[in-house]
Amino acid sequence: QKEVEQDPGPLSVPEGAIVSLNCTYSNSAFQYFMWYRQYSRKGPELLMYTYSSGNKEDGRFTAQVDKSSKYISLFIRDSQPSDSATYLCAMSALSQGNLIFGKGTKLSVKP
Amino acid sequence: EAGVTQFPSHSVIEKGQTVTLRCDPISGHDNLYWYRRVMGKEIKFLLHFVKESKQDESGMPNNRFLAERTGGTYSTLKVQPAELEDSGVYFCASSQDDRGWMSYGYTFGSGTRLTVV
Repeated sequence: QKEVEQDPGPLSVPEGAIVSLNCTYSNSAFQYFMWYRQYSRKGPELLMYTYSSGNKEDGRFTAQVDKSSKYISLFIRDSQPSDSATYLCAMSALSQGNLIFGKGTKLSVKP
Repeated sequence: EAGVTQFPSHSVIEKGQTVTLRCDPISGHDNLYWYRRVMGKEIKFLLHFVKESKQDESGMPNNRFLAERTGGTYSTLKVQPAELEDSGVYFCASSQDDRGWMSYGYTFGSGTRLTVV
């Protein structure tokens, strides 16, 4: 069983839609949860991070962590064509310096 | 502020040859990480430097890979001899403190796309 599972998509939505992206994980030691956005031919860019369980909101983006279910989500409201990218979840245990990534979900927002 | 710079951006080499990838982190960032994405797989951790010391090299696949960080500044990752399965995108990232994602997060470079033929 992989430590982090993420549906690679692709996911195509119309402009203005609410997008829901998610990952599941198996390692209960993970405490830090991140979402990265990656445009084509670029490196991953940190979008959101959350410590332990709970929600975090930043503009049109909301990250949720449910540690009891080992499930994390990223919601994008009022999606824009500029949101078209690959979204990667990543996580780490408290004592580690390295990140465990999901495969990434490729999102396309159509005008 | 300049970002994390990696070069070359793309390298095509024959099996058995040697390739050296270079990463220039953000100035002042003590922590430098190498990650790799093989086609169809997740981005995977290779190793972590704190200044010039290797903090964690548990992700290095085998002894054909050698990473160095001269004087705690730029880093090189050498693959010798290269094999077909080494093809992928190699990312470098840097952060200011030990658990960088807590505040600033990692800053990733754009990666080096390595193709071994």
